[in-house]
Amino acid sequence: GAGVSQSPSNKVTEKGKDVELRCDPISGHTALYWYRQSLGQGLEFLIYFQGNSAPDKSGLPSDRFSAERTGGSVSTLTIQRTQQEDSAVYLCASSSLPTTAGELFFGEGSRLTVL
Amino acid sequence: AQKVTQAQTEISVVEKEDVTLDCVYETRDTTYYLFWYKQPPSGELVFLIRRNSFDEQNEISGRYSWNFQKSTSSFNFTITASQVVDSAVYFCALSDSGTGFQKLVFGTGTRLLVSP
Repeated sequence: GAGVSQSPSNKVTEKGKDVELRCDPISGHTALYWYRQSLGQGLEFLIYFQGNSAPDKSGLPSDRFSAERTGGSVSTLTIQRTQQEDSAVYLCASSSLPTTAGELFFGEGSRLTVL
Repeated sequence: AQKVTQAQTEISVVEKEDVTLDCVYETRDTTYYLFWYKQPPSGELVFLIRRNSFDEQNEISGRYSWNFQKSTSSFNFTITASQVVDSAVYFCALSDSGTGFQKLVFGTGTRLLVSP
């Protein structure tokens, strides 16, 4: 499709397990973002990729969280040793603007439930 | 530090009523950008508007209008003659030099329920 694609749409896991969430941005978009949306909360910035520059990881809540973006396209967010507080909807967005935040195109999110 | 406050958690209106969603922001920058996004039940956020700090003109797009007032640090959103399809969560957001103009700082959102 033409939009941002995320998978899985739903993931239920047990505490302590590792999970991987995938994001396929809009073709040609150089900027890619991960946000987290917890129940009753706003969107919390996690990480930002722009072209070949070093990613901005300032929003990652702990060292259990990591993300990579291969070939400037698909991104994977990995959460190691999941905790119950990691339960949230993880949203990916992409943008074509290289220098200033403009319109972000969001995927439908990956809902993570940690039991 | 940047902050966006949406004090209204949930608003319920009847179709055809006008409704205003409030957004108050905090930033130390003179150059910044403000945004509104809509999140329908499907979950996918949809961009509505971006406004830079040097443009205080109000904007109207169909039934939507935005009132930007730097004096009160507010960027309010009004829907005229609301419709059931307007039911969604609406987020206000800010970017400034503190975020590298790249990251958006979001408010907690306002859930709008429009009943027939």
